Amino acid sequence: SQQGEEDPQALSIQEGENATMNCSYKTSINNLQWYRQNSGRGLVHLILIRSNEREKHSGRLRVTLDTSKKSSSLLITASRAADTASYFCATPQGGSEKLVFGKGTKLTVNP
Amino acid sequence: SQTIHQWPATLVQPVGSPLSLECTVEGTSNPNLYWYRQAAGRGLQLLFYSVGIGQISSEVPQNLSASRPQDRQFILSSKKLLLSDSGFYLCAWSLGLAPYNEQFFGPGTRLTVL
Repeated sequence: SQQGEEDPQALSIQEGENATMNCSYKTSINNLQWYRQNSGRGLVHLILIRSNEREKHSGRLRVTLDTSKKSSSLLITASRAADTASYFCATPQGGSEKLVFGKGTKLTVNP
Repeated sequence: SQTIHQWPATLVQPVGSPLSLECTVEGTSNPNLYWYRQAAGRGLQLLFYSVGIGQISSEVPQNLSASRPQDRQFILSSKKLLLSDSGFYLCAWSLGLAPYNEQFFGPGTRLTVL
C-alpha cells in the first residue's frame, strides 16, 4: 500500500511566487525525505527530516514535519523557472529496508 | 566524488527479447544498490536492492531478475520482456540503508517494449 501521498498532483505558479507541496503518510516514521526529478532524469535528494525535527531549511527550501498529523510540507520560496520539476516525498516502510516514494507533485513555474 | 552510471540511456526492444541493464558506481565502497521502475506519471516502484555482492532482495514478483557480480556493479535482466516492462528504470545507491540515508540516483534508462 502507498505510504506517502503528495498533494496537489500538479501545481502551476508564476516565477517569484512560493510553492507549497504536502505529503501525508500512514504509519509511524523515523524520518522523511524529499526528492526532485527533472523531466526524464534521475531523482535528486533535497532534504531529510527526522521525526524529532519539526522544521528544516536548505537554501530556498523549507520542510516541516508534523508527526501527530502524519504530514510534511515542502515550501519553495521565490520560485524560479528552473524549479520546474516533480517533487516526491519518501518514507520508510515500517520494519523493512525499503523506502517508499509517493506519486509526486508536478510543479510548473512560469517565467 | 561519487558518480553513478547507467546504460543504455534508451532502449527499444521487441516483446519476448532479453534485457540487460547495467549500473555502476564510482568513488565509494560497499554501497547499497537499488533498482526502481517508474511508469509514466507515476511514483517509483522498488524492484530489487542489494546490500552486498551476490545479495539480492526482490520486492515485486515479475519476470525481471537482478545480479551484483561486483561491489559497485548492479545488473537488471530479463529472459523475455513483456509489454508491461516498459518504463523508466532507475538505479540508485546509498551508503547506509535507504530509509535512513539519502539515495543517489543515476540518469535512468528509458525502456520501450513493442
